[in-house]
Amino acid sequence: DAGVTQSPTHLIKTRGQQVTLRCSPKSGHDTVSWYQQALGQGPQFIFQYYEEEERQRGNFPDRFSGHQFPNYSSELNVNALLLGDSALYLCASSQDRSYEQYFGPGTRLTVT
Amino acid sequence: GNSVTQMEGPVTLSEEAFLTINCTYTATGYPSLFWYVQYPGEGLQLLLKATKADDKGSNKGFEATYRKETTSFHLEKGSVQVSDSAVYFCALLYSSASKIIFGSGTRLSIRP
Repeated sequence: DAGVTQSPTHLIKTRGQQVTLRCSPKSGHDTVSWYQQALGQGPQFIFQYYEEEERQRGNFPDRFSGHQFPNYSSELNVNALLLGDSALYLCASSQDRSYEQYFGPGTRLTVT
Repeated sequence: GNSVTQMEGPVTLSEEAFLTINCTYTATGYPSLFWYVQYPGEGLQLLLKATKADDKGSNKGFEATYRKETTSFHLEKGSVQVSDSAVYFCALLYSSASKIIFGSGTRLSIRP
């Protein structure tokens, strides 16, 4: 079992650009959550996808959007990048309503 | 709102010392409580969990007890090793909400 995988590992973008991050959940999991972890901080919940729909959302602007595909994999899109979007973006997968979420290694996004 | 407050770091100990990292939470109802660990350059790993009051979670020599009366979930280990050096996050989750709320993390460094 490969566990949760994320791509790319690192990414450097310029202010104003758009970025897409990808996540493949652990086998058997149908729910994907995304978190943003700024340097020296705990992860902050962005949103969660289940059955290809956004089920819950944290306090993030509409520039952050996502998608879940029929195979349960997911994408996180961020438009009009700001310097403050520089962070480690973590994907977590779980079975529906399970308390146990498994995290991927993250994508390190740097905005210059 | 729901929140988690944990002991600020960094914490530096000598090998074989006793470890305590304090964590308190604010929540309505009865959340599940977790400790996650993040090793350098890696994503989050679930270290231990407790789903109801008075439960004790344990793993790899670490323990934490869910104390409803003091709204606490302190992490302890009797004898730390250099390999325990990492950042530790206390967290809570309501299964119905399915989003994890993290503390800000405590960096632990163990000297040989």
